[in-house]
Amino acid sequence: GNSVTQMEGPVTLSEEAFLTINCTYTATGYPSLFWYVQYPGEGLQLLLKATKADDKGSNKGFEATYRKETTSFHLEKGSVQVSDSAVYFCALRNSQAGTALIFGKGTTLSVSS
Amino acid sequence: EAQVTQNPRYLITVTGKKLTVTCSQNMNHEYMSWYRQDPGLGLRQIYYSMNVEVTDKGDVPEGYKVSRKEKRNFPLILESPSPNQTSLYFCASSLRRGVAGTYNEQFFGPGTRLTVL
Repeated sequence: GNSVTQMEGPVTLSEEAFLTINCTYTATGYPSLFWYVQYPGEGLQLLLKATKADDKGSNKGFEATYRKETTSFHLEKGSVQVSDSAVYFCALRNSQAGTALIFGKGTTLSVSS
Repeated sequence: EAQVTQNPRYLITVTGKKLTVTCSQNMNHEYMSWYRQDPGLGLRQIYYSMNVEVTDKGDVPEGYKVSRKEKRNFPLILESPSPNQTSLYFCASSLRRGVAGTYNEQFFGPGTRLTVL
């Protein structure tokens, strides 16, 4: 079946530190991959996406590369800010999931100044 | 502004009292979906709709109903709510299909926090 596994955290970093949140997936076929972010008290916002192997999604200084050979989509940012504190969800979507988004359980990031 | 709206945002109710959470999108999306978010479980799909009058069960449909009479609206109905339906609910929408067989991102509403006593 389809599934997404991500480090659950919490991840605690100082401002300007490097961030990596690992995400691996299991899926048949060729899923599209997404990172969503949920700020406190808010809904989910799309952070970035990649729809085929070797694509790199990027937004707001965050990046993730679709690696089919390692079934991974790790999220990285070179220098985090306090405003990046949020919960980050890795997700996939493909036809075999009925087009649902299949989410990881989320990683809480806390950045201190 | 392109958006998904949900109402109400917060609701406290009692066991067995029927309720409806509304969802509306203004992006002309064919696909709409409901998810619930629970601590330690992440987000799980309740129901989805591929288009008007087409709905189907997700992973956790028990205790819920939906309807899709118009493209823009996809209400979630709890006929007889129970405490285990206390959760944070999200409505989402998207275009059905992306370019060359890829899959589009879903746009999420702000969430409805439901407490069933």
